[in-house]
Amino acid sequence: SQTIHQWPATLVQPVGSPLSLECTVEGTSNPNLYWYRQAAGRGLQLLFYSVGIGQISSEVPQNLSASRPQDRQFILSSKKLLLSDSGFYLCAWSPILFAGSNNEQFFGPGTRLTVL
Amino acid sequence: AQSVAQPEDQVNVAEGNPLTVKCTYSVSGNPYLFWYVQYPNRGLQFLLKYITGDNLVKGSYGFEAEFNKSQTSFHLKKPSALVSDSALYFCAVRDIAGGSYIPTFGRGTSLIVHP
Repeated sequence: SQTIHQWPATLVQPVGSPLSLECTVEGTSNPNLYWYRQAAGRGLQLLFYSVGIGQISSEVPQNLSASRPQDRQFILSSKKLLLSDSGFYLCAWSPILFAGSNNEQFFGPGTRLTVL
Repeated sequence: AQSVAQPEDQVNVAEGNPLTVKCTYSVSGNPYLFWYVQYPNRGLQFLLKYITGDNLVKGSYGFEAEFNKSQTSFHLKKPSALVSDSALYFCAVRDIAGGSYIPTFGRGTSLIVHP
C-alpha cells in the first residue's frame, strides 16, 4: 500500500532563517506531488505541484520554492522566512492526472510551521 | 473555470441526529466531486467521490453525498452523527472539460457534534 511521510511535524523558526520541508511517498511510482498551505485551520492554498522529476509548477508567487530531486521526494524550501509563512503545510500525492482521470489526492500528516 | 463553495463555516448537530454539510460547485462541463475530512493537526482524508452514475454516493465512516446537477450541489450527509465526526470537512471539484487537472477545494466547514 502507499504511504506518504512529511517531516518535521512541527517547526519553529525565526524570521529570515531558511526552511526545508521534506515529503516522501512510498509504494507508488511517478506520482503527482503537491504542496499546500493551510492558514488558521481553514482553506487550502495550492503552492506547487509536480508531474515528474525536476518539473515544478508554481501556483502562487512568493518566497517559497519547491524541488523534486527524486521520483517520490518533494521538498519545500525558503531562503528567508517571513512571518506570513507561518501555517500548516500539507504534502499530497495522486496517481498521474490527465484529462479523464478522477483520482483523489492522498495527504500527508502535515508540518506546523511557526515563524517568530 | 471551476469553483466550489461551502456556504457554512460551521455546522452544529446533536449526536444521533442527521447531519448535512453543504457544497455547491460551478464548472463549464461535467464535474468530478470529492469530500475530504480533516481532524485537528492532521492531513486530509478522502471520504468519497462522485464520478458518474448513481447520484447517491456512499463513502467511509457511514457518510454519503448526493449529487444534484440541476442545483449544482454535492451535499455530504450522515443519518446519525457521532461526536467523533467532529472535524473540518472539505468539498473539492474538478471540471472534466477544464484545463486544470487539479481540483479546487472549498474553504471548509467545521462540523461540531454535541453529546
